Amino acid sequence: GAVVSQHPSRVICKSGTSVKIECRSLDFQATTMFWYRQFPKQSLMLMATSNEGSKATYEQGVEKDKFLINHASLTLSTLTVTSAHPEDSSFYICSATTSGPNTGELFFGEGSRLTVL
Amino acid sequence: GENVEQHPSTLSVQEGDSAVIKCTYSDSASNYFPWYKQELGKRPQLIIDIRSNVGEKKDQRIAVTLNKTAKHFSLHITETQPEDSAVYFCAASLAAAGNKLTFGGGTRVLVKP
Repeated sequence: GAVVSQHPSRVICKSGTSVKIECRSLDFQATTMFWYRQFPKQSLMLMATSNEGSKATYEQGVEKDKFLINHASLTLSTLTVTSAHPEDSSFYICSATTSGPNTGELFFGEGSRLTVL
Repeated sequence: GENVEQHPSTLSVQEGDSAVIKCTYSDSASNYFPWYKQELGKRPQLIIDIRSNVGEKKDQRIAVTLNKTAKHFSLHITETQPEDSAVYFCAASLAAAGNKLTFGGGTRVLVKP
């Protein structure tokens, strides 16, 4: 199946700093990538949808100026958490989808655990 | 937008017994319903999925049923094993909406040996 790679897997940063997380589709071109956030013992909550070459679409309640998404190519999307605070500590997971007959299936990255001190 | 409800939130079963998890969805236009298994600190893994043109699908010990009229779908795991212990998520999406998946709240399954 398709492979999505996410980096870094873990990051610890000080409050007020920015953190960038990369999501790459390794063996396919991802027409759309999604960014999810998962707090401990909770479900995956969609933060935003990014399409290559266009602005991301953010879900209600997600600050676009705080969570910057860039989808510069069909194989790379990045999420930057700006001015991170302890409440931003979470598990961030990207996923990608392709067009074609199996439209619908998502391929997930390994996830990035962010801890803000 | 789509809303997916999942029950129960926790499920404890004896090894060898069956486990059933149920989900309902709100958007009748949704046409893709995957189930994921997630172990602690890891990415969700797709275990089975079903599309709206099918009522039931089975893969070894795992089966999923879909009732479009009632807008609910269920996961059935038979002959449970300790390695089935994990958190399971149902989800729903509409291909025309760009495959945006909405997840249920999750079910923590514990299989007791």
